[in-house]
Amino acid sequence: AQSVTQLDSQVPVFEEAPVELRCNYSSSVSVYLFWYVQYPNQGLQLLLKYLSGSTLVESINGFEAEFNKSQTSFHLRKPSVHISDTAEYFCAVSDKNNNAGNMLTFGGGTRLMVKP
Amino acid sequence: DTAVSQTPKYLVTQMGNDKSIKCEQNLGHDTMYWYKQDSKKFLKIMFSYNNKELIINETVPNRFSPKSPDKAHLNLHINSLELGDSAVYFCASSQNRGSGTQYFGPGTRLLVL
Repeated sequence: AQSVTQLDSQVPVFEEAPVELRCNYSSSVSVYLFWYVQYPNQGLQLLLKYLSGSTLVESINGFEAEFNKSQTSFHLRKPSVHISDTAEYFCAVSDKNNNAGNMLTFGGGTRLMVKP
Repeated sequence: DTAVSQTPKYLVTQMGNDKSIKCEQNLGHDTMYWYKQDSKKFLKIMFSYNNKELIINETVPNRFSPKSPDKAHLNLHINSLELGDSAVYFCASSQNRGSGTQYFGPGTRLLVL
């Protein structure tokens, strides 16, 4: 079984400031790690994912996340946020061994609020 | 072209009614899912189907019955709707190999009055 904890339910930040959204997970098996973004009144979009290899993964819109196995974390960062980054961000894991049909276990979400 | 589509987008209904939500994916994926997002934005898996067969059935009341007529469709039928069923329901699909990255539909906002 897996669980995902997103430590901050809301993160207010000014435009062009850096931001970090924290995610920790617990699992008895190896997992894949994901960040999804949900803009207001929309569905979830994949932002980035860690499968294997380099522990630092990047998205096309400037976000990056680093897998830290010893700390079981997958924090999301952006060096300079835009107003358009305002959204709900979800960290998720799935069983690498595909024993649960790739079922995603989500964290509670972090609402990123970018202020002008 | 929409990859994962759901209908309807909004559904307002009375307690006790029966309703269905439809989901279709044109990605050629093997596996489809239903997730429920509650009022606090918490997302939880409900069901997963692989090639029309049920593979995950989390603790969900048996008033909820998924149906997969073919690999590209996974519908959700809900009997005797209750107030607590009000939520956003998301359909998703993935390949059943590798990372199985899931692609989500736009969601169906269900309000039970």
